[in-house]
Amino acid sequence: GENVEQHPSTLSVQEGDSAVIKCTYSDSASNYFPWYKQELGKRPQLIIDIRSNVGEKKDQRIAVTLNKTAKHFSLHITETQPEDSAVYFCAASSGTNAGKSTFGDGTTLTVKP
Amino acid sequence: GAVVSQHPSWVICKSGTSVKIECRSLDFQATTMFWYRQFPKQSLMLMATSNEGSKATYEQGVEKDKFLINHASLTLSTLTVTSAHPEDSSFYICSAPSQGRYNEQFFGPGTRLTVL
Repeated sequence: GENVEQHPSTLSVQEGDSAVIKCTYSDSASNYFPWYKQELGKRPQLIIDIRSNVGEKKDQRIAVTLNKTAKHFSLHITETQPEDSAVYFCAASSGTNAGKSTFGDGTTLTVKP
Repeated sequence: GAVVSQHPSWVICKSGTSVKIECRSLDFQATTMFWYRQFPKQSLMLMATSNEGSKATYEQGVEKDKFLINHASLTLSTLTVTSAHPEDSSFYICSAPSQGRYNEQFFGPGTRLTVL
C-alpha cells in the first residue's frame, strides 16, 4: 500500500518568514495530494491540493509543488502569521477506492510573533 | 459545498459499554465513507472503508467485531465501538469523498470518545 513520509515533525519560524514542509510517497498510482491544517480538537481543513497533471499550484501565501518522478511534494507558506500555527498534514490518494487517503505523520508549525 | 456531520461531538462512557457514532452526508450521496481514529499528537489512521449496502473493509490490525460499521443508506454510516475500554478513547473522524476522478475528502467534525 501507499506510504507517506512527512518532514519535519516540528517547525518553528518567526512571523514573516517562510515555512516549508515536505512529503514523499511510494505509490506511483497516487494522483491527488491534499494538504490539511488541523487545529486542536477540530477536523482537518483542506488548505490546498495538487493533482498529478500539474507541477505547482499557488493560492495567495500558500503554494504546493509536486515532483512525480521523485515522488515528493512540498507545502510552502510565505509571510507566515501567528494564526498559521497549527498541525499540517499531507496526504496521497489514487483515483481508485473512492480516494482512500494515506496521511503523513504531521508537522506542528509554530509561528512566533 | 459538501457538508458532513457527525453525532455526537463528544461522548463519555463507562468501560464495557458500547457507543454509536453517526456520520451523515447532508447535501450529497456517499456510497463510500471512511472512518479514522486520531490519538493525541498523532496522525489520522484509517480504520475502515464503509460501503453502502455491503460489508465494510477494515484496515490491518483493526478488529471488525469491536468496531462495527453499518452503511445503511446513501447518506448515513455508523461506527459502533463495542465493549469500549479506556484504550479506545480517541478522536474519531469520518470522511466522504466527492464524486469524480480525484475524490476530494469532506470530513466530519469528529467525535471525542472518552472511556472511563
